[in-house]
Amino acid sequence: DIQMTQSPSSLSASVGDRVTITCQASQDISNYLNWYQQKPGKAPKLLIYDASNLETGVPSRFSGSGSGTDFTFTISSLQPEDIATYYCQQYDNLPPRLTFGGGTKVEIK
Amino acid sequence: EVQLVESGGGLVQPGGSLRLSCAASGFTFSSYDMHWVRQATGKGLEWVSAIGTAGDTYYPGSVKGRFTISRENAKNSLYLQMNSLRAGDTAVYYCARVGDGGSGGMDVWGQGTTVTVSS
Repeated sequence: DIQMTQSPSSLSASVGDRVTITCQASQDISNYLNWYQQKPGKAPKLLIYDASNLETGVPSRFSGSGSGTDFTFTISSLQPEDIATYYCQQYDNLPPRLTFGGGTKVEIK
Repeated sequence: EVQLVESGGGLVQPGGSLRLSCAASGFTFSSYDMHWVRQATGKGLEWVSAIGTAGDTYYPGSVKGRFTISRENAKNSLYLQMNSLRAGDTAVYYCARVGDGGSGGMDVWGQGTTVTVSS
């Protein structure tokens, strides 16, 4: 099974800071990588699909990049409403299965 | 409004069974692959099962042989039959729709239903 290593597990940053989260796959997953935001007590929300595509309605300060085994998620200017836990998720299609990264909890300094 | 609403969670004893339901509305349910994803309190997300538009089903090793995903397109409904439940199955269970991207991104989620396995 493909393993996803997400780092850091938590971070604290100031409003306006650039925030970067990484996700590393244990083998080449092409661009089959998605990013989610989850606020406490709520369901996850899809932000980025296929590694770098912004989901409709998601603010442009969120972005994703990477392919193969190394992926990056960036918040260009952290806002108070971005306080949440972020997860990467890979998709393996032979046979279909999903694996989530361990999550990154983002807090305001 | 595109919406998924889960139901059927509750308290069950170890070894028991439970059937979760997910009611879909606002979109053509039969045209979308669907997933169940769970989250134990304070833990991360764990994929539980998937079903394609043709009814093909997929499971991780942790639930294979114990859980069964199914769909009833005429009722716009997704189900998860859970048997031989263990304490480790205690979690919030979400149903989710697979969006149009190629990497299985889930673009619509329900609010979740809580399953507690305890004696």
